[in-house]
Amino acid sequence: GENVEQHPSTLSVQEGDSAVIKCTYSDSASNYFPWYKQELGKRPQLIIDIRSNVGEKKDQRIAVTLNKTAKHFSLHITETQPEDSAVYFCAASIHDTGFQKLVFGTGTRLLVSP
Amino acid sequence: EAQVTQNPRYLITVTGKKLTVTCSQNMNHEYMSWYRQDPGLGLRQIYYSMNVEVTDKGDVPEGYKVSRKEKRNFPLILESPSPNQTSLYFCASSSRQGVEYFGPGTRLTVL
Repeated sequence: GENVEQHPSTLSVQEGDSAVIKCTYSDSASNYFPWYKQELGKRPQLIIDIRSNVGEKKDQRIAVTLNKTAKHFSLHITETQPEDSAVYFCAASIHDTGFQKLVFGTGTRLLVSP
Repeated sequence: EAQVTQNPRYLITVTGKKLTVTCSQNMNHEYMSWYRQDPGLGLRQIYYSMNVEVTDKGDVPEGYKVSRKEKRNFPLILESPSPNQTSLYFCASSSRQGVEYFGPGTRLTVL
């Protein structure tokens, strides 16, 4: 089955710096790679996702890149702000018409200091 | 408002006392699942359901049961809870595009 590894487990940056979180996956058939943000005491919420037919996707200050050959994908947050502080989870799945089995990474705790 | 709801939000119980955590979604999603979240382990899938009366095991199904008698509801049943099932539980439903919508979570403590 799929296995997703995520690094680093914790990441501390200064406000305005960039943050990068990296994930690797094992199943070459995986074709859907979402990223979730979980604030303290809250539920995980999707912030960005990418499918295997594209190599990069951007939404304002966040971007995700995918390298299918190397089987890794990364989340990039630019101009970080204190409200970006949260736990971020990557995930991978084989997505087919609504069915999927998401496998999550173990999470990265991002702390943005003012 | 599109949402996934869970009840109860907090539960303290004792070993062996059967309990049920309810989950309901109003988005007409066919696919629903249950996860448990433990420190350092991320989110692990317990069970999932592709449609009414269709369920299957996830990565950590031992000690849990589920049922899917209606499209909107997907309860999680612990027939004989044990302390190692103390965890934060999330129900989720998934759109056809693959976006997973999580419920607010149920924090369970088994003494």
